[in-house]
Amino acid sequence: SFELTQPPSVSVSPGQTARITCSADALPKQFAYWYQQKPGQAPVLVIYKDTERPSGIPERFSGSSSGTTVTLTISGVQAEDEADYYCQSADSSGTYVFGGGTKLTVL
Amino acid sequence: EVQLLESGGGLVQPGGSLRLSCAASGFTFRSYAMSWVRQAPGKGLEWVSAISGSGNRRYYADSVKGRFTISRDNSKNTLYLEMNSLRAEDTAVYYCAKERISGDYVPDGMDVWGQGTTVTVSS
Repeated sequence: SFELTQPPSVSVSPGQTARITCSADALPKQFAYWYQQKPGQAPVLVIYKDTERPSGIPERFSGSSSGTTVTLTISGVQAEDEADYYCQSADSSGTYVFGGGTKLTVL
Repeated sequence: EVQLLESGGGLVQPGGSLRLSCAASGFTFRSYAMSWVRQAPGKGLEWVSAISGSGNRRYYADSVKGRFTISRDNSKNTLYLEMNSLRAEDTAVYYCAKERISGDYVPDGMDVWGQGTTVTVSS
């Protein structure tokens, strides 16, 4: 299996841009997915296949990929975006892996 | 409306067993692979197991392989997780989740999640 590494925390002021990275180890990277989880709630898919946004997710959420690192960008952060964010990927055997999660704090 | 509703959680002693259920509605259940994902108290998400739409292919995390069994009854639109030889480290909220795309199981993200059921393993 492989590991996905995220920063434990990111802090931004309202209206600024938040960037959360997710790095895979030496194994080839498959597509990445991003989930938002607010306290006491189930996760919500916000980005799939590195860069695609599901219907109903605000345009301020975007994803990008470079090498074995993917990035979730939230432009014009709002207070309601404060949450834990998890990246996810899968290996060729069909096993999913989650990153450790990043707590986004809106100052 | 697409919905997933988990049940079956509770308090169980170490070494005990428990069966979780996930009732699905609002979509063609048999067409989608499904997964179980858990979250220990104050910790991150951990994928546990997945099953193809037909039920003929099953996948497990190393941490549960040999102890947990995933299954489904497409006639009842229900997903199951049979958990045996439970350990304290299995204590978590267990979520069921629907794969984003229909067809054979190809991991491509989970677009619908239940609200979770809590499993506590303690003496």
